[in-house]
Amino acid sequence: EPEVTQTPSHQVTQMGQEVILRCVPISNHLYFYWYRQILGQKVEFLVSFYNNEISEKSEIFDDQFSVERPDGSNFTLKIRSTKLEDSAMYFCASSERQGGDYGYTFGSGTRLTVV
Amino acid sequence: GQNIDQPTEMTATEGAIVQINCTYQTSGFNGLFWYQQHAGEAPTFLSYNVLDGLEEKGRFSSFLSRSKGYSYLLLKELQMKDSASYLCAVRDHSGNTPLVFGKGTRLSVIA
Repeated sequence: EPEVTQTPSHQVTQMGQEVILRCVPISNHLYFYWYRQILGQKVEFLVSFYNNEISEKSEIFDDQFSVERPDGSNFTLKIRSTKLEDSAMYFCASSERQGGDYGYTFGSGTRLTVV
Repeated sequence: GQNIDQPTEMTATEGAIVQINCTYQTSGFNGLFWYQQHAGEAPTFLSYNVLDGLEEKGRFSSFLSRSKGYSYLLLKELQMKDSASYLCAVRDHSGNTPLVFGKGTRLSVIA
């Protein structure tokens, strides 16, 4: 079964450093998303991306965050200057259809720890 | 605002049936999803309801009442591997709209 692949699985970084989280969505999917989940809390939407531009973003997705699809397969989330409160599991997701009527496929996540 | 409520925890016995409820108040409605999430893993899609009624898929069924802002996930013939968190999520309008998730219900299946 096709998978969404995320790397690294775990990243530890110092406060103030830049991190790039990488995702390879399913190849025929057109809609891409980043969500995060702080330990013990709910899954929260960050940003959606289609046709090489951001479709929608949440209040969490401030100027410190950016997304990019640098080539035909990768989809990245960059945090420019990490804060302690950015520590969370970050999930990439993709869907074939608009709005993901049949459910997104989530990647296995990157656990980001900011120290 | 958006509000999705689910019980925090439930416990059920192997072989039994359990119903996990979800109520929502959102500005619009264009579909309700249930996801399963094992500890430390990604959510996996279980079901999707956009019209009132029951959708059955094997041991899992999901029900929706739009007028009541209510859904439930029914799990039959519980197995130990069903111990996980079950996430209710709503899409509040059409198009490439993100999902709003509830906090999830942690289900423990005991022998």
